[in-house]
Amino acid sequence: ETGVTQSPTHLIKTRGQQVTLRCSSQSGHNTVSWYQQALGQGPQFIFQYYREEENGRGNFPPRFSGLQFPNYSSELNVNALELDDSALYLCASSIPAGGKYEQYFGPGTRLTVT
Amino acid sequence: DAKTTQPNSMESNEEEPVHLPCNHSTISGTDYIHWYRQLPSQGPEYVIHGLTSNVNNRMASLAIAEDRKSSTLILHRATLRDAAVYYCILRGVNYGGSQGNLIFGKGTKLSVKP
Repeated sequence: ETGVTQSPTHLIKTRGQQVTLRCSSQSGHNTVSWYQQALGQGPQFIFQYYREEENGRGNFPPRFSGLQFPNYSSELNVNALELDDSALYLCASSIPAGGKYEQYFGPGTRLTVT
Repeated sequence: DAKTTQPNSMESNEEEPVHLPCNHSTISGTDYIHWYRQLPSQGPEYVIHGLTSNVNNRMASLAIAEDRKSSTLILHRATLRDAAVYYCILRGVNYGGSQGNLIFGKGTKLSVKP
C-alpha cells in the first residue's frame, strides 16, 4: 500500500508569484485535506476535497485554491504569494472525513517566499 | 470548536512508560478523541483514536475518562524515536466542513532521555 506523497519537497518563490503543490493520496482514500504549518506552530486546516469538490474550508483567503482529480490526487494553488506564506504545506488523505476515521499525512512541501 | 489542553512539554526516560494527559472539558457526545505525533522535519503521524472505550494498538494505548472530559495517551516503553510533539485533537463525527478536520493546538513536546 502506497502512502501519501507530496511534490516538490522544497520550493523557493518570490513574493507575488504563484505556486502549485501536488499530493497523491493513499490508495483507497477519496478525501484529501491540506494544512499549512508555520515554523513552531501546529498545522492549520486550509481546505478539504471529497470526490473532486471542496467541502470544507478553514480561515484562508481565496488566493488559496485547490483541485482534486478523478484518481483522488490533489493540487494546492497559491496566487500572489506573500512572505507569510512561507511554511510547510501538508496534505492528508482519508476515507470520508469525520471523526470516525484517521487521516494520513504526507511529508510536506517546504515553501519559502522571498 | 471544542478545545483541548495539554502540557507544553514532558520528559521521559528510555524504556519507561509515558503518560501524556489531555483535558477536553467541552467535548460533545459525538466528538472522537484523536492523537497524532510529529517527529522533527516530518508530517504528523496518526497514533490512535477513540470515542468512549479505551483503545489499544501497536503504537500506544488510549485511556478515556468515564465522563470523557480527559484522556491519556500511554506509550508503554518509550524509545528515543518517540521524541516528538504529540497532539490531542477532538474531531467531529460529521464529514465535510471544518468540523470534520483536525484542529491542531500546540501539543506536548516529549523528550526521551537515554
